[in-house]
Amino acid sequence: EDQVTQSPEALRLQEGESSSLNCSYTVSGLRGLFWYRQDPGKGPEFLFTLYSAGEEKEKERLKATLTKKESFLHITAPKPEDSATYLCAVQASGTSYGKLTFGQGTILTVHP
Amino acid sequence: GAVVSQHPSWVICKSGTSVKIECRSLDFQATTMFWYRQFPKQSLMLMATSNEGSKATYEQGVEKDKFLINHASLTLSTLTVTSAHPEDSSFYICSARPNSGANVLTFGAGSRLTVL
Repeated sequence: EDQVTQSPEALRLQEGESSSLNCSYTVSGLRGLFWYRQDPGKGPEFLFTLYSAGEEKEKERLKATLTKKESFLHITAPKPEDSATYLCAVQASGTSYGKLTFGQGTILTVHP
Repeated sequence: GAVVSQHPSWVICKSGTSVKIECRSLDFQATTMFWYRQFPKQSLMLMATSNEGSKATYEQGVEKDKFLINHASLTLSTLTVTSAHPEDSSFYICSARPNSGANVLTFGAGSRLTVL
């Protein structure tokens, strides 16, 4: 059974204080690992897709990395508008493209 | 970019009634759409896969007679929660991937269902 575990559950940062979110996963065969951002009462907003170990992707203050067992979402000099729940999900090989197994998410709060 | 629209964004209904939620892909065609459910402080769980022109496929433990799915066209899927009960109260989110395009699942804004 595919599993995704995210840590920490919640993270409070001061504006400008860089940190990382962790996503550990077990999957029969990884087709893709996804990062989404979810604001309260909204659907997930796509951030990144990673496909193979060693891959990295960046978008503004966010950088996602991938190893064979985990992924990290690095947040550099965060701003209050980065406050949200960050979701990690895996897509297993041989399954429907729409079947993502999600982690519980990390609630990020950035204080000004 | 790909946009998925859901309607209504929130609905309150009485126990025993049925509620329909629409999911539309606004600027792309999607043969397949996906319905997820998210309970408070829990993660998203796939409920079913909606297939245009054929029957939906349901994940284990999801009652197909309670959650009726119709995929009438390449841009519209509907989820009907039949004989709703308070335990069906949840956040229902649809998603879709363009027939042609990147391996990215785009989600709608979600529909909050509260059953009294």
